[in-house]
Parts: sequence; C-alpha cells; structure tokens
Amino acid sequence: EAGVAQSPRYKIIEKRQSVAFWCNPISGHATLYWYQQILGQGPKLLIQFQNNGVVDDSQLPKDRFSAERLKGVDSTLKIQPAKLEDSAVYLCASPNTGELFFGEGSRLTVL
Amino acid sequence: AQSVTQLGSHVSVSEGALVLLRCNYSSSVPPYLFWYVQYPNQGLQLLLKYTSAATLVKGINGFEAEFKKSETSFHLTKPSAHMSDAAEYFCAVSPGRSGGYQKVTFGIGTKLQVIP
Repeated sequence: EAGVAQSPRYKIIEKRQSVAFWCNPISGHATLYWYQQILGQGPKLLIQFQNNGVVDDSQLPKDRFSAERLKGVDSTLKIQPAKLEDSAVYLCASPNTGELFFGEGSRLTVL
Repeated sequence: AQSVTQLGSHVSVSEGALVLLRCNYSSSVPPYLFWYVQYPNQGLQLLLKYTSAATLVKGINGFEAEFKKSETSFHLTKPSAHMSDAAEYFCAVSPGRSGGYQKVTFGIGTKLQVIP
C-alpha cells in the first residue's frame, strides 16, 4: 500500500506570511495526526482527526494555526501569520494496529 | 498523563560495539511503548513496539528492547553497531488499550553516532 504523502517537502517564508501543508494518509485510515517537530526535539502532537472531525486540537495554537480534513481523506494544515518559532518539520501520520505511519514531513523555515 | 525521558541526547559508539539507548517512561495506565528511528530529512519509522505481550521485543535491523515495569524502563539495544545505524532514535509511549492506544507521546530523541 502507498505510504503517507506530504507536500511541499521544503518551504521558506518570511515572518507574517502564510503557508499551507498538505497530507494524504494511507488509504482507508480514518485517523490522521499532524505533529510539529522543532529541531532538537521530539514530535509534538498538534491535532488529531477522526474521518473529517477534530478529536483533539488542544495543542494547536489556534490564533495562527488551522487544519481541515473536509472529505475525511487528505488534510491541510495552515499557518497564518507565521512566526520565527514556527520553523520546524510538520509531520503527518496515520495509525494502524498501534503503529504510526509517518510521511517524510514538510520542513518550514521562517526568516 | 504519560511521558518518556531519554537519557543522553547524543550517544557515540564504535562500529561493532554494543548500542544502548536509554528510555524511562511514566504512565498512569499500562502503556504501549515504541522506539522510532529517523534518518536525516526523513519521517519516523517504527523499530519495535511493546503492547503488553512478551517483555523482550525484537525489532528491525537487529534492535531489541526490554520492558521492565519495576524500573519503568524500555531501553533499546543492539549487540553490534553498524555505520548505517547512525540516526536519531525516539522513544514513545501511548496509553495502551485502556486509554486510546493511538495517542503517542514522544521523547526528545537520542542522536546515535557510529565511529568507524
């Protein structure tokens, strides 16, 4: 089966600009996670979707971050406006039998 | 609440030497425990997982880990390091069956350097 697809792989923007990341999880996986991985740290959960509904967004900075999964398949994570501290890798993951399958991530650099 | 503590953000071993990466966990319910590996510019890949069956878990690439409840530990080992093992390793915990086993909390990672 195909893996978790993410795009773009790399993005450089200036602070206060906006950016969007896209994820297409493994086919048929109802649950989807977005993680933020800052350099030198482990991934931190931002938001969890079950189909097209949000299960947990308690760690999502809602003043600037938003995410949607309109048809319960692919998902978009948006940052507007970006801050310097948002520089990180944004990982999308979908679970199956207790294992998380990760995409390669989208690396964001905010200048 | 759950968390993991990885002891040592950087570990260096000689090629052929024993690899030991330490992880201690905290969980209010019986946990599931994981080790993931991340190569540069790639996503995370599962090495092995403990889900309350055998306490000694064998994974890919010759790695294994032992769940020790009395010590709240889940250390990762490999008898003989290979150059290709150089990567970052993340220990992780989830609540297990009782609490939604899919919600995983990661440690800060240990970067393994293998010296030729």
